[in-house]
Amino acid sequence: SQQGEEDPQALSIQEGENATMNCSYKTSINNLQWYRQNSGRGLVHLILIRSNEREKHSGRLRVTLDTSKKSSSLLITASRAADTASYFCATDARGSTLGRLYFGRGTQLTVWP
Amino acid sequence: EPEVTQTPSHQVTQMGQEVILRCVPISNHLYFYWYRQILGQKVEFLVSFYNNEISEKSEIFDDQFSVERPDGSNFTLKIRSTKLEDSAMYFCASSPSGSGYNEQFFGPGTRLTVL
Repeated sequence: SQQGEEDPQALSIQEGENATMNCSYKTSINNLQWYRQNSGRGLVHLILIRSNEREKHSGRLRVTLDTSKKSSSLLITASRAADTASYFCATDARGSTLGRLYFGRGTQLTVWP
Repeated sequence: EPEVTQTPSHQVTQMGQEVILRCVPISNHLYFYWYRQILGQKVEFLVSFYNNEISEKSEIFDDQFSVERPDGSNFTLKIRSTKLEDSAMYFCASSPSGSGYNEQFFGPGTRLTVL
């Protein structure tokens, strides 16, 4: 199975702290994407990192990718209460031209004011 | 900023009834997808669609499911005879290409409740 798995399952921090979430996957990929989902709502695309990239930044988000370890991390710096959500990594399959994504179970992040 | 839209936001139906979930993908996108998320579980791929035909489908996408792009803007998912286990959030997504190097943008979802 290609599915990614996030770690930890739940993370609880104070506002202003950094939050780090990890994702592991099993087979080679073209890219890895991180999504956020507020409770019962849609998936919001956060960032895509390609297999030939090692690190990417977008605002307070920093994503790393280690293809040798088949793992990725998402760092949210200076977290805010509004960052409270579930965070998912999604991978495709290397060589795929069809774009099917495989999602993990997600990390539930709670940021306390 | 362009976005994927879905209607209705919530659909309640009786077991055995047909439902059609509607999506309007981002206008210049070429690849379209349906995913579903049963409450508390992972988001699961159902089907991908390109050039007016199914590109790939999962084992979930059986004969009860069908997709259609009836015109230049809408993309629909039909469930012919709903079952209790079809209750889930259904997400439509679109992408400029399926090359694996482009983001998939998701709609807000349709919550389907089968009674």
